Amino acid sequence: ETGVTQTPRHLVMGMTNKKSLKCEQHLGHNAMYWYKQSAKKPLELMFVYSLEERVENNSVPSRFSPECPNSSHLFLHLHTLQPEDSALYLCASSQDLEDRGLYNEQFFGPGTRLTVL
Amino acid sequence: DQQVKQNSPSLSVQEGRISILNCDYTNSMFDYFLWYKKYPAEGPTFLISISSIKDKNEDGRFTVFLNKSAKHLSLHIVPSQPGDSAVYFCAASAIQGGKLIFGQGTELSVKP
Repeated sequence: ETGVTQTPRHLVMGMTNKKSLKCEQHLGHNAMYWYKQSAKKPLELMFVYSLEERVENNSVPSRFSPECPNSSHLFLHLHTLQPEDSALYLCASSQDLEDRGLYNEQFFGPGTRLTVL
Repeated sequence: DQQVKQNSPSLSVQEGRISILNCDYTNSMFDYFLWYKKYPAEGPTFLISISSIKDKNEDGRFTVFLNKSAKHLSLHIVPSQPGDSAVYFCAASAIQGGKLIFGQGTELSVKP
């Protein structure tokens, strides 16, 4: 596997379910990100991790819980979601949080299409 | 308040012609600007970037222009090809961090 992978690619869950999204990067990067993309809206940054430490939480509801056990893996645990949480969830990684040389280029995974019923 | 705006949700261009995608921003602290391209069922992929110390950056068929006084940047694709059909996101970041602020995207359709 190369680049950034995400599983599952599609997920349908009820509002009372608990599920987890997984992201893995094979690039040796130190920073990882979770984004949410709703239809016709900009990508919304949810969480940022640098060297396994959460450095940013963009006012995300507690029903979304991230976990970064090591610099290659990032999880998003989902619990009691709402239908409006249905969206494409994208994971990304970058070399470092502030990599001036690469203009903060982030590499994205293919995303998980989440539907909450 | 949206700091990065792409006011055209869609653009249709004939193959071989020029595609111009526009992006406006409001935060004068932004100093790096990037364009990402996204195909359906895939994540965005980095296309081209520009630093605020430049006003133009070219890479093959892709050129990004930056007008700092107008807080405006544009992506030119010439000649456009059907394989360029995708959603294009403009993104910006400031000196202090790696956080990217994205626009809402413009869907480009290049017709043969």
